[in-house]
Amino acid sequence: AQTVTQSQPEMSVQEAETVTLSCTYDTSESDYYLFWYKQPPSRQMILVIRQEAYKQQNATENRFSVNFQKAAKSFSLKISDSQLGDAAMYFCAYRSLGGGSNYKLTFGKGTLLTVNP
Amino acid sequence: GAGVSQSPRYKVAKRGQDVALRCDPISGHVSLFWYQQALGQGPEFLTYFQNEAQLDKSGLPSDRFFAERPEGSVSTLKIQRTQQEDSAVYLCASSFSAGVGEQFFGPGTRLTVL
Repeated sequence: AQTVTQSQPEMSVQEAETVTLSCTYDTSESDYYLFWYKQPPSRQMILVIRQEAYKQQNATENRFSVNFQKAAKSFSLKISDSQLGDAAMYFCAYRSLGGGSNYKLTFGKGTLLTVNP
Repeated sequence: GAGVSQSPRYKVAKRGQDVALRCDPISGHVSLFWYQQALGQGPEFLTYFQNEAQLDKSGLPSDRFFAERPEGSVSTLKIQRTQQEDSAVYLCASSFSAGVGEQFFGPGTRLTVL
């Protein structure tokens, strides 16, 4: 079974600065997807960014980028020019490429990000 | 609708009561997932539907948990004889195609069992 570990329960960043959230995972599969989800307080979980393991290029979405190290099984999220609206719980998640039950997401425990004005 | 909706948003039950949680997925989404999120934890998979077929229920914690999606759209998660350990947020997610589609999450139902 796959596991996802987020070793930083809480992080804080100053507005306009850059912060990196860490995630490691364990799997025996060679192809899979990795995701970062954002869950603001009392609001819906939304997808921030996704990475296909077969792609060597790191995914980027505006101020959000990842550092995907497949051999190290590491998948960190970098938030540049942090904004107050970035404050939320961030979850790293894994999903197998295959079908059936493999479509389920396996989540880490999350990192609570605080953005200070 | 514009997104995944869930009702009720909050539910308080006395231990031993039965509860039913509803999920309305995005129209046309084939796949539907239920997750359980305990306080301070990440969501954990409960069950998965493709249309009306429940393809995986390996995450359901006990036989008190039952889910259905009879017409391939709305889904109901039922918990019988609720226990305090059932207290959690129950999240529903849907996707157009489970294989490649993004899972869109609803706001969740926060269940508190007293």
